[in-house]
Amino acid sequence: DAKTTQPNSMESNEEEPVHLPCNHSTISGTDYIHWYRQLPSQGPEYVIHGLTSNVNNRMASLAIAEDRKSSTLILHRATLRDAAVYYCILRYSNSGYALNFGKGTSLLVTP
Amino acid sequence: DTAVSQTPKYLVTQMGNDKSIKCEQNLGHDTMYWYKQDSKKFLKIMFSYNNKELIINETVPNRFSPKSPDKAHLNLHINSLELGDSAVYFCASSQRGSNEQYFGPGTRLTVT
Repeated sequence: DAKTTQPNSMESNEEEPVHLPCNHSTISGTDYIHWYRQLPSQGPEYVIHGLTSNVNNRMASLAIAEDRKSSTLILHRATLRDAAVYYCILRYSNSGYALNFGKGTSLLVTP
Repeated sequence: DTAVSQTPKYLVTQMGNDKSIKCEQNLGHDTMYWYKQDSKKFLKIMFSYNNKELIINETVPNRFSPKSPDKAHLNLHINSLELGDSAVYFCASSQRGSNEQYFGPGTRLTVT
């Protein structure tokens, strides 16, 4: 499986935008880029996914580099509730396969 | 209504015992999973299962076995518990054709 590289931790001030980077230089053409997050003492939750084009949803935006070797999850206005571990995951195709979680990025949001 | 539920939330037991963790999803999904999160917070897939196929992570000891009485349930049975089995176990579900997996709240298993 293609691997992802993320910073171990990042810090942001509340109500500021947060850009969480992910490198995936060995991504294949059929790999989708998924982001999940895990709030303290909870199960992971889906954030966003994409293949080639940038994506927006109510939670975040996903910016994908033109060569697809990196992507950035953007939280437009961080809140204290966004403090979590964010996982960037590559998954073959778009269905029926387990997620291979890496170490993720621990996001700290300060008031 | 909780989409993916697990029982119990906490489970403390002694080495050598046999225990089960139950998982139910009310989303109508056709695929369910079990993940293990160890003390270092690494999340690893253990099993994925739909009504036709069981995919087992080869690193999972055969003391662990998933059992699905119906499409909405995937229970995890663990025989001869060991100290190293202590972890948080998460159940998840998804629908083929969808990108999202929905996770349960987790079961914290402590083996003493």
